[in-house]
Amino acid sequence: KNQVEQSPQSLIILEGKNCTLQCNYTVSPFSNLRWYKQDTGRGPVSLTIMTFSENTKSNGRYTATLDADTKQSSLHITASQLSDSASYICVVTPSGGSYIPTFGRGTSLIVHP
Amino acid sequence: DTEVTQTPKHLVMGMTNKKSLKCEQHMGHRAMYWYKQKAKKPPELMFVYSYEKLSINESVPSRFSPECPNSSLLNLHLHALQPEDSALYLCASSPTPPGQSYEQYFGPGTRLTVT
Repeated sequence: KNQVEQSPQSLIILEGKNCTLQCNYTVSPFSNLRWYKQDTGRGPVSLTIMTFSENTKSNGRYTATLDADTKQSSLHITASQLSDSASYICVVTPSGGSYIPTFGRGTSLIVHP
Repeated sequence: DTEVTQTPKHLVMGMTNKKSLKCEQHMGHRAMYWYKQKAKKPPELMFVYSYEKLSINESVPSRFSPECPNSSLLNLHLHALQPEDSALYLCASSPTPPGQSYEQYFGPGTRLTVT
């Protein structure tokens, strides 16, 4: 069964600090891996998308990395802001079969002033 | 226009009511999706429409009935729902159907409460 595990489950940091969120997956082979930001009660907003051949992708203060050999991805947030408080979800789409994406349970990030 | 819109934002309905959720996108995307999301859980895929045809139905109860009138619109008709159906319902679209490296765009969601 395809699985996507995210850690930590929740994280509290001070404004201005950096943080890294982790995503481990068993989906193989996979088509793409995406990171989304979801504010409470709102729809997810895409941050990055990477294919299996890409190692890193940046979007402003967000940088995602991918190690297809170890099946791990990370999302690094630089100089955190209060508005970064949200849930961050890792989504992996398999290559083949029904191509149904598998969602991780998300990491809840709280940024304190 | 790069957004997916959903109406209504909030909906409260009784178990005997019939209501519909609406989703619209004008990005020319050919695939549209319905997801259900409970609090603190990831979204669960319900239906996928590809080129206006239902391509995936994830064993969703018949009290949920999807409809795709055209390539820009996606409806979810609700009838005889249960309180456990209360959730955030998300619509999404992608330029191409599943199977290709695509970007999936989500709407803001409809918060549904069944009383």
